[in-house]
Amino acid sequence: EVQVLESGGALEQPGGSLRLSCVVSGFTFSDHAMTWVRQAPGKGLEWVSAISGSGSRTYYADSVKGRFVISRDNSNNKVHLQMNSLRAEDTAVYYCANRKFDDFGPLEYWGPGSLVTVSS
Amino acid sequence: ERVMTQSPATLSVSLGERANLSCRASQTVNRNLAWYQQKPGQAPRLLIYDASARATGIPARFSGSGSGTEFTLTISSLQSEDFAVYYCHQYNSWPLTFGQGTRLEIK
Repeated sequence: EVQVLESGGALEQPGGSLRLSCVVSGFTFSDHAMTWVRQAPGKGLEWVSAISGSGSRTYYADSVKGRFVISRDNSNNKVHLQMNSLRAEDTAVYYCANRKFDDFGPLEYWGPGSLVTVSS
Repeated sequence: ERVMTQSPATLSVSLGERANLSCRASQTVNRNLAWYQQKPGQAPRLLIYDASARATGIPARFSGSGSGTEFTLTISSLQSEDFAVYYCHQYNSWPLTFGQGTRLEIK
């Protein structure tokens, strides 16, 4: 059974930093790219960042480029999202998901999400 | 950036009836198009990928069609558990993008 679980969400002040983590089990972690997708309260889905299976390639949405950093630890089946210079508009539930076909394909398995609130 | 536009924003359909949800891409995404279902308080669930392939465990009443810029998700006979928000998603090119969602409600 595949399991995906995010952690690290919290209330943080504008300008602050948070680190989200996602742990995966049930498939060969290093064979799949991983992504972060967020959903602001009452809004739709927004892709945030992705990292290839090897970790050699990373991708970011323009809205977070230069502020967020994605990384992965294939020995522990984890992916991380370091979030710096947080803004009110970063408030959202952050979901972690794998890409179905190696470094391509749809987002197959999703975690339940981790809530990040940016407010003073 | 490929902008994904879903229509309608809200669709009201009776139990047992058919629902057709549309998704249009601003540029071709070939067949690299997925559909997700999201219920309140839950993560999205993959229903359809590669425009028409059903994901593992998805009932046969869900089907997808289309290619290029025009796509459709069809639910052939609506069950009570199908009332949710549906998103289309293109994974053809960066940045990955989603439609704004169609809310499917009981008529």
